[in-house]
Amino acid sequence: AQSVTQPDIHITVSEGASLELRCNYSYGATPYLFWYVQSPGQGLQLLLKYFSGDTLVQGIKGFEAEFKRSQSSFNLRKPSVHWSDAAEYFCAASGGGADGLTFGKGTHLIIQP
Amino acid sequence: EPEVTQTPSHQVTQMGQEVILRCVPISNHLYFYWYRQILGQKVEFLVSFYNNEISEKSEIFDDQFSVERPDGSNFTLKIRSTKLEDSAMYFCASSPRANYGYTFGSGTRLTVV
Repeated sequence: AQSVTQPDIHITVSEGASLELRCNYSYGATPYLFWYVQSPGQGLQLLLKYFSGDTLVQGIKGFEAEFKRSQSSFNLRKPSVHWSDAAEYFCAASGGGADGLTFGKGTHLIIQP
Repeated sequence: EPEVTQTPSHQVTQMGQEVILRCVPISNHLYFYWYRQILGQKVEFLVSFYNNEISEKSEIFDDQFSVERPDGSNFTLKIRSTKLEDSAMYFCASSPRANYGYTFGSGTRLTVV
């Protein structure tokens, strides 16, 4: 069965420190991969997506993600976090076409001063 | 920047009642989706819609659910007889084409009492 795993439920990072959020997928073929961010009471905002080509993908708000086929991973990174980055982060995958997204359970990011 | 608009933002209904959740996708988008997020849980795919018919649906999308695009702008999700476990945040999303990033609305919080 298709699945997306985010192994970290909560992550606490100091403001200004680097960040890496983990995401692993299990799909029959390489899926289309996405990272979304959700602030409290808000909808889902697309940070970045990977379809093919360069395995390092740049997104909005200074985020990037690296696709590693050998590890079935698509980890999200940011070199220096800001307090406004505190939110819930979701990794998602799709098989393509009109397929819906399969989401991971999310990682709650806490920024400490 | 174009947005997906959902109304109402919050709806309370009695168990057994019918509810219709409304969405206005981005005007030039062709693929439409409904997702739900039960409080504290991950986002789950319900249904995708293209060319005036359902493309894919999940196991959650049973006979109690239906979708419709009644005119050129609205996309609705109907729950015929609500149950307590239907309480969730419902997100509408749209995409200009297949295999592309989705734009999500801010969601409708449905509370069934």
